[in-house]
Amino acid sequence: DVKVTQSSRYLVKRTGEKVFLECVQDMDHENMFWYRQDPGLGLRLIYFSYDVKMKEKGDIPEGYSVSREKKERFSLILESASTNQTSMYLCASFNGLVARHEQFFGPGTRLTVL
Amino acid sequence: GENVEQHPSTLSVQEGDSAVIKCTYSDSASNYFPWYKQELGKGPQLIIDIRSNVGEKKDQRIAVTLNKTAKHFSLHITETQPEDSAVYFCAASKTGGFKTIFGAGTRLFVKA
Repeated sequence: DVKVTQSSRYLVKRTGEKVFLECVQDMDHENMFWYRQDPGLGLRLIYFSYDVKMKEKGDIPEGYSVSREKKERFSLILESASTNQTSMYLCASFNGLVARHEQFFGPGTRLTVL
Repeated sequence: GENVEQHPSTLSVQEGDSAVIKCTYSDSASNYFPWYKQELGKGPQLIIDIRSNVGEKKDQRIAVTLNKTAKHFSLHITETQPEDSAVYFCAASKTGGFKTIFGAGTRLFVKA
């Protein structure tokens, strides 16, 4: 059974704190993604990675950075958390070697920044 | 830029009725159109997809139609059941591309 896991389901942080969200997939996928989900806005791409140590900005990268040191792990970093980063964060992966771009999602991390 | 519009944002139907969700995409190069279902407390999960060389695809009670000329695609759920209640996302992407553009989502309520 394929799996994408995220380190926390719920997280509460204070403004200015550095926040790490971790994602691990066990499917040997090259491609991994971080999205944020907000009501009425759908899923917006923050960053993605198509290989170890490779990263590309998505549509809303400001205030975020990422790290991919191992193929199975993709971390999202909020350098200095702000209240407007309160959101649901979803990690996903897919196998770029097949034509079907099915993305496999983790359960999400609901982050609240106070 | 690339955009996917999805309507309605909320849909309430009686159990046994049909539900239709519609999406429009802007990038004419898009050729893969997946639909994801997100249940409460879970990440989205693919339920059906369609490629641009096909006009319609069906899987039991769900079907998807695609009109490439109009850049429209739709999800049809027949004989709805309470367990169909969820948020549904349409999306569009291109072969060889990494990015998938998602619609804003439709919250479907099926009343028993």
